[in-house]
Amino acid sequence: EIVLTQSPGTLSLSPGERATLSCRASQSVNNNYLAWYQQKPGQAPRLLIYGASSRATGIPDRFSGSGSGTDFTLTINRLEPEDFVVYYCQHYGSSTVTFGGGTKVEIK
Amino acid sequence: EVQLVESGGVLVQPGGSLRLSCAASGFTFISYWMNWVRQAPGKGLEWVASINQDGSEKYYVDSVEGRFTISRDNAKNSLYLHMNSLRAEDTAVYYCAKDHVAAGMYFDYWGQGTLVTVSS
Repeated sequence: EIVLTQSPGTLSLSPGERATLSCRASQSVNNNYLAWYQQKPGQAPRLLIYGASSRATGIPDRFSGSGSGTDFTLTINRLEPEDFVVYYCQHYGSSTVTFGGGTKVEIK
Repeated sequence: EVQLVESGGVLVQPGGSLRLSCAASGFTFISYWMNWVRQAPGKGLEWVASINQDGSEKYYVDSVEGRFTISRDNAKNSLYLHMNSLRAEDTAVYYCAKDHVAAGMYFDYWGQGTLVTVSS
């Protein structure tokens, strides 16, 4: 089973800055089966990125995903006030789904 | 509009049983894998189980294998999670989630969640 490690645990930035979130897999991710989700307090998660780099429907283009193999990145350009929440990466493989531990983006 | 509405979450004693339901609408239910994902209070997300379109394939996280059963009724556009031998560590908000059309397993629509509390 692939373990996903997200870093940093908390990222302190100001509105308008760029956020770079990391997700590292314990083994190579086949077919780039890697997704990113955003979760606001008290709400269900929202799919942002799938297939490592494809934006889900309705997701603003300030969100982008990149990476392959074991290292993946979610970049959020020009942080908006509503972006200061928690983000999770997720992997699918061998009929199993795993999530990373999450990164909280907070206002500096 | 896609809607997923979970129900059935309650306070239950350790060792007890429970059935969660998820009513789906706004999409062709029979065409998609469906899933349960949970989140313990103040913690991260944990995938629980997945079921394919006709219910012939089911997969579970190791910690619930043999205790939980995922099922679906395509005639009723409904997804279920049968939970037995419940433990304190099963306490969580349980989300029903629809699979994305892309290859792989991604969750593009989620319900609002239903809270299961296991405590004496």
